[in-house]
Amino acid sequence: AQSVAQPEDQVNVAEGNPLTVKCTYSVSGNPYLFWYVQYPNRGLQFLLKYITGDNLVKGSYGFEAEFNKSQTSFHLKKPSALVSDSALYFCAVRAYQTGANNLFFGTGTRLTVIP
Amino acid sequence: GAVVSQHPSWVICKSGTSVKIECRSLDFQATTMFWYRQFPKQSLMLMATSNEGSKATYEQGVEKDKFLINHASLTLSTLTVTSAHPEDSSFYICSALTGPTYEQYFGPGTRLTVT
Repeated sequence: AQSVAQPEDQVNVAEGNPLTVKCTYSVSGNPYLFWYVQYPNRGLQFLLKYITGDNLVKGSYGFEAEFNKSQTSFHLKKPSALVSDSALYFCAVRAYQTGANNLFFGTGTRLTVIP
Repeated sequence: GAVVSQHPSWVICKSGTSVKIECRSLDFQATTMFWYRQFPKQSLMLMATSNEGSKATYEQGVEKDKFLINHASLTLSTLTVTSAHPEDSSFYICSALTGPTYEQYFGPGTRLTVT
């Protein structure tokens, strides 16, 4: 079975400080991991993905994520938060080997960047 | 990048009527599309997987006679909510699968309100 856990419903960070949004996963086989961001009343926007290769993945808007196989984690990070980063962030996983093409989503983490 | 559109972006209908939501892949062909439902402040729940030219595969607990899905072409999938009730009010998001790594691109969502 596949699952994704985002242990924090809410993360608050001051503008200019580094931010981390946590994600752990459980999947059979090698995971494909994704981060998406959702602004109010909007669909999901792709931020970055890990398929294979370097464990540190760089994505849109200055975000990056580190794949840690031993800890089954894929935390989202940004060195310096902006107020405009305030949004809902979803981590997602797909286990390609199972033949399932759909994504399993975490419950989301609401990020608030305080000016 | 790949663009997915949804129409309408929001709709209000009366109880007992039917509503059709369109999902289009604008610049690529999508053999597989997904329909998600999102409740306020919650994650995305996969409703069904739609494959072009075949019947949709519904997730457990989703009424296939209520949520009719048609994937008539490689660029269009439709979701029809039949005999809508207030509890069907929600944010419906479609996504399309493409690319060698089966990346999912999401539409902007459709907010349905049933009065």
